[in-house]
Amino acid sequence: EPEVTQTPSHQVTQMGQEVILRCVPISNHLYFYWYRQILGQKVEFLVSFYNNEISEKSEIFDDQFSVERPDGSNFTLKIRSTKLEDSAMYFCASQVNTEAFFGQGTRLTVV
Amino acid sequence: DQQVKQNSPSLSVQEGRISILNCDYTNSMFDYFLWYKKYPAEGPTFLISISSIKDKNEDGRFTVFLNKSAKHLSLHIVPSQPGDSAVYFCAASGRGNEKLTFGTGTRLTIIP
Repeated sequence: EPEVTQTPSHQVTQMGQEVILRCVPISNHLYFYWYRQILGQKVEFLVSFYNNEISEKSEIFDDQFSVERPDGSNFTLKIRSTKLEDSAMYFCASQVNTEAFFGQGTRLTVV
Repeated sequence: DQQVKQNSPSLSVQEGRISILNCDYTNSMFDYFLWYKKYPAEGPTFLISISSIKDKNEDGRFTVFLNKSAKHLSLHIVPSQPGDSAVYFCAASGRGNEKLTFGTGTRLTIIP
């Protein structure tokens, strides 16, 4: 069964450093998303991506965040200068019709 | 703004009995409603969905009911099995391929 894969599974970084979270969506899906879940809180939408551009972003997705699909398969989320409050599980999802399929997540810990 | 609410943070049910998880929403523009199951350290796994034009959708042991006038949906699992123990999230979207808005989740524990 096709699945969304994310790497790394866990990333520890120092505050102020850049991180890149990687995702390989399901190959025939056209809509891609990043969500995050801070420990103990709900899953929150960050950004959606379609046809090689951002289609919607939340207020969380500020200038420190960027996404791209550099080679037609990988879908990346970059945080330029991490803050302590960026510590969370980050989930990539790809979607066809109404069902979004999620990766297993990257746990980002900012110290 | 809590557009999707799950008011029960936890629920315990005996194995073999029915589990009923509830979800309320406030945004009348939502068109699709979905239930996801999540184990620790894993991503949410899609379970079942329902369109706003329906009031019931069934898939094996899982049934979702939608009451549009009350802005309420519920997930019924019967019979409940130990492997059903997980956190269940209700989610909603405006139409196909729009972002999902999640509830806060309900931790379901099935007691053997």
